[in-house]
Amino acid sequence: SQQGEEDPQALSIQEGENATMNCSYKTSINNLQWYRQNSGRGLVHLILIRSNEREKHSGRLRVTLDTSKKSSSLLITASRAADTASYFCATDANAGKSTFGDGTTLTVKP
Amino acid sequence: EAGVAQSPRYKIIEKRQSVAFWCNPISGHATLYWYQQILGQGPKLLIQFQNNGVVDDSQLPKDRFSAERLKGVDSTLKIQPAKLEDSAVYLCASSMQGVNTEAFFGQGTRLTVV
Repeated sequence: SQQGEEDPQALSIQEGENATMNCSYKTSINNLQWYRQNSGRGLVHLILIRSNEREKHSGRLRVTLDTSKKSSSLLITASRAADTASYFCATDANAGKSTFGDGTTLTVKP
Repeated sequence: EAGVAQSPRYKIIEKRQSVAFWCNPISGHATLYWYQQILGQGPKLLIQFQNNGVVDDSQLPKDRFSAERLKGVDSTLKIQPAKLEDSAVYLCASSMQGVNTEAFFGQGTRLTVV
């Protein structure tokens, strides 16, 4: 069963703009993680946010978590063409078993 | 630090043939995962190992898929016989033991069944 669902499915922006992606999930979680996947490559871990945290930052990335709404958002500020990729959220509800959504495909136009 | 190694990178087989994938996790990582990623979808967990024991294989089609992790290090995933719908990227990942730990992914093996 799919736990996390990303929204929107696809997003196209101009370089320099901000990109926001959302993730909703159904059950209680230990943590939520965001990954990036470039075409034809493996997944790269971006940020892990624990269930007792509300916001985390890493460089141009900002992740929020609202456990009452069972949702998370990933904000990429000042986007670059190199940020073009698919972004996945993964929820860990049970002993390190992460369940992935189907991702948001981000295109950043130069 | 070396990452998660997978081989082969690509494999094309005919339906009903068998195929095996190999994964070498990051040294010291107790937990190893195999995921199946169909084009346009997110990764789906097939099996999770903790050292050489299976933690979760609830989504592994056991009539055709098998996996083992001998000595708690390397792992192999086998499909026999393959079906057309098995065409996907098979991703291996590893992490340190415990909750709230980051998983590191290999580059994956792209399987095409014709």
